[in-house]
Amino acid sequence: KNQVEQSPQSLIILEGKNCTLQCNYTVSPFSNLRWYKQDTGRGPVSLTIMTFSENTKSNGRYTATLDADTKQSSLHITASQLSDSASYICVVSAGAGGTSYGKLTFGQGTILTVHP
Amino acid sequence: DAGITQSPRYKITETGRQVTLMCHQTWSHSYMFWYRQDLGHGLRLIYYSAAADITDKGEVPDGYVVSRSKTENFPLTLESATRSQTSVYFCASSEAGPLDQPQHFGDGTRLSIL
Repeated sequence: KNQVEQSPQSLIILEGKNCTLQCNYTVSPFSNLRWYKQDTGRGPVSLTIMTFSENTKSNGRYTATLDADTKQSSLHITASQLSDSASYICVVSAGAGGTSYGKLTFGQGTILTVHP
Repeated sequence: DAGITQSPRYKITETGRQVTLMCHQTWSHSYMFWYRQDLGHGLRLIYYSAAADITDKGEVPDGYVVSRSKTENFPLTLESATRSQTSVYFCASSEAGPLDQPQHFGDGTRLSIL
């Protein structure tokens, strides 16, 4: 069964600090991995998408890494801001790609709270 | 503005009633999806559609019905609501299959069934 596990479940940090969120997955065949940010009361918004051949991808202060061998990904947030307070969701795709539907497995998310 | 909109944002109804959640996107994306989000679970796929008049079941389709007569609309109907269907429902769209393109989500409908 395909699974995505995220840790920690929740995290509190002070504004300006860095943090790292973890995602472990057992998904086969692996297609890509993406991170979403979900603000309270809003829908998820895509931050990054990484394929098997990519091991690092940045989007501003967000940097995602992927280790396909160990089936782990991390999302590093640099110089956190109050607006970074949100749930961060790891999503792993399994399938052959193209236009056919494949299976997306969502993690439960890590709730990040940034305090001033 | 272009985007994906869901209505209503909040809905309270009673068990046994029929309720329809609306989803409208202005991008002309081929793919549309319905998810539910519950505490203790990641987003779970209810139904999806690859194009107008093409729909298919996702992970948790029981108790739900969808239709897609037009590319831009993808309503979700609970034919006889049950308390277990209390949840936050998200509609999403993507230009191509979800393996290749990010999904764009609406802001959700919070549905309470009493």
